[in-house]
Amino acid sequence: SAVISQKPSRDICQRGTSLTIQCQVDSQVTMMFWYRQQPGQSLTLIATANQGSEATYESGFVIDKFPISRPNLTFSTLTVSNMSPEDSSIYLCSVGDHRAGEQYFGPGTRLTVT
Amino acid sequence: AQSVTQLDSHVSVSEGTPVLLRCNYSSSYSPSLFWYVQHPNKGLQLLLKYTSAATLVKGINGFEAEFKKSETSFHLTKPSAHMSDAAEYFCVVTWAPPGGGNKLTFGTGTQLKVEL
Repeated sequence: SAVISQKPSRDICQRGTSLTIQCQVDSQVTMMFWYRQQPGQSLTLIATANQGSEATYESGFVIDKFPISRPNLTFSTLTVSNMSPEDSSIYLCSVGDHRAGEQYFGPGTRLTVT
Repeated sequence: AQSVTQLDSHVSVSEGTPVLLRCNYSSSYSPSLFWYVQHPNKGLQLLLKYTSAATLVKGINGFEAEFKKSETSFHLTKPSAHMSDAAEYFCVVTWAPPGGGNKLTFGTGTQLKVEL
């Protein structure tokens, strides 16, 4: 398994601003994933981030709103841009084990937009 | 397409009684299935996984799940609930898109409440 940390753990932001969330893994991984968990709901995949290439976004998510960086094999960032109250969610990063298929999750970043 | 349906959004049990959290899946391929648990204000933790080996899978904290292909089910059970089991549980199916890697599809979750 992998140990994953995220910064910040929580934040309260004003609408129209942007927040960058960092995800750090204790080992080198090929694929990292970003999820959103809206209040009281399940997890939805935002995008998959491979090192050295553009992130792949799921339907309903666009790069202008959620730009992602993946500068190396242990680190990624997700930016939530031009925030609105509807962006209030928990944002989680995860890494995958190709052999077994499961993913390991960071503790999440709880974002509140006012 | 891959999907999972968690049949109960809330389950309430008394401490010491059995737990049953139900999950049905739909998959075009032989699926890999997981149960994750999310305690309040904490991250997701993998409870157990099925990856086409034994159909009865044992996980952490006394939980187990049985893969039944004929019923397309992967229900989570525990013989005796403990107060610390109170959490949100997610049934998850994994699949491999054409571009490679593995993607997870989450169920809507079941909130388990354990009462004294």
